[in-house]
Amino acid sequence: AQSVTQPDIHITVSEGASLELRCNYSYGATPYLFWYVQSPGQGLQLLLKYFSGDTLVQGIKGFEAEFKRSQSSFNLRKPSVHWSDAAEYFCAVGLDFGNEKLTFGTGTRLTIIP
Amino acid sequence: DVKVTQSSRYLVKRTGEKVFLECVQDMDHENMFWYRQDPGLGLRLIYFSYDVKMKEKGDIPEGYSVSREKKERFSLILESASTSQTSMYLCASRYQGSGSTEAFFGQGTRLTVV
Repeated sequence: AQSVTQPDIHITVSEGASLELRCNYSYGATPYLFWYVQSPGQGLQLLLKYFSGDTLVQGIKGFEAEFKRSQSSFNLRKPSVHWSDAAEYFCAVGLDFGNEKLTFGTGTRLTIIP
Repeated sequence: DVKVTQSSRYLVKRTGEKVFLECVQDMDHENMFWYRQDPGLGLRLIYFSYDVKMKEKGDIPEGYSVSREKKERFSLILESASTSQTSMYLCASRYQGSGSTEAFFGQGTRLTVV
């Protein structure tokens, strides 16, 4: 069965600093990979997704992620964080069979300090 | 824009009550999902449906049932609510075809069982 690991439960960074959130997956083939963001009290919003092709994908709000097959990783990055980026971030994997469920990591909570 | 609407943002119910959580999507998606979100556990799949009247158990179906009588509506039912079911519940929908297989989420329903 597929699984997703987000090893960092909570990360604190200064506003303007760079950010990297880690995501590792376990699956027999290359899955479809997603990063979602959840602001307090809200649902999840898609930041970016990887299906195939270029392993560096760009998303909304200045985020990007890089798929590394050899490391089974899909880490999320942002060169300079803003206070509004404080939220919880979820990595997810799925198959392109349509009715297959998405498997989510346990999330990383991001705190931004001035 | 895709819209997934959950009927309530906040609910307070008593132990033993039958509780209905409603979710409606407007994008003609075949697949719909109910997740439960708890701190430190991420999102866990309760049930999903890939067609009208079709359903499959997710990872934690015990104590829950679902109903999908119309394509756009997916209901989660707590037959006899317990305090252990106090949680945030998220509904999602997803297109079944290949390609754009991201899930779209509702705003969530925070359920408190007292």
